[in-house]
Amino acid sequence: GESVGLHLPTLSVQEGDNSIINCAYSNSASDYFIWYKQESGKGPQFIIDIRSNMDKRQGQRVTVLLNKTVKHLSLQIAATQPGDSAVYFCAENSGGYQKVTFGTGTKLQVIP
Amino acid sequence: NAGVTQTPKFRILKIGQSMTLQCAQDMNHNYMYWYRQDPGMGLKLIYYSVGAGITDKGEVPNGYNVSRSTTEYFPLRLELAAPSQTSVYFCASSSGLAGMLETQYFGPGTRLLVL
Repeated sequence: GESVGLHLPTLSVQEGDNSIINCAYSNSASDYFIWYKQESGKGPQFIIDIRSNMDKRQGQRVTVLLNKTVKHLSLQIAATQPGDSAVYFCAENSGGYQKVTFGTGTKLQVIP
Repeated sequence: NAGVTQTPKFRILKIGQSMTLQCAQDMNHNYMYWYRQDPGMGLKLIYYSVGAGITDKGEVPNGYNVSRSTTEYFPLRLELAAPSQTSVYFCASSSGLAGMLETQYFGPGTRLLVL
């Protein structure tokens, strides 16, 4: 079946550096993508989203890039801080409320 | 607003026991969801509801039941607990105003251990 996956299970970044978390998706029908942050012992928290008619969207210190040609999604975090340490999930919506597929997550470790 | 709240935070069950995981939201959201999260795995949808009185199965519904008598509450019932149901359970909600193109808001989760 089609799925959403992440290339790197763990990413270690020096504080102050930029972080890039990648996600591959295989369902070409997906038209909405979301990045979530999950801190230890907590529920996922929305970070940023992007619709399939866009290539890039920026938030506060975060940018999501969507490359539909290669079915790739990335989350860029500028000036990574210790509070950014968490697991980051990408999710795709391929149609319908029950059609949100979550990736397995990438753990971001920020080195002080 | 408290957002999405879940109780209990943690529970240990014996095989065959039953329990209800509580979920409430105070955002007047139409849509509510139950997910389970196993270690190293992505969230899997158990059940969802698009409004009071309406529920439907997700990807992994076996062993669970839900009800949605009001907009605010969406309890998840485990009738005969099995070790395979050991997981972290997340309830989520979304407004439903933007259809499927909208964000879900998650509760803090319930950790369930079945022994």
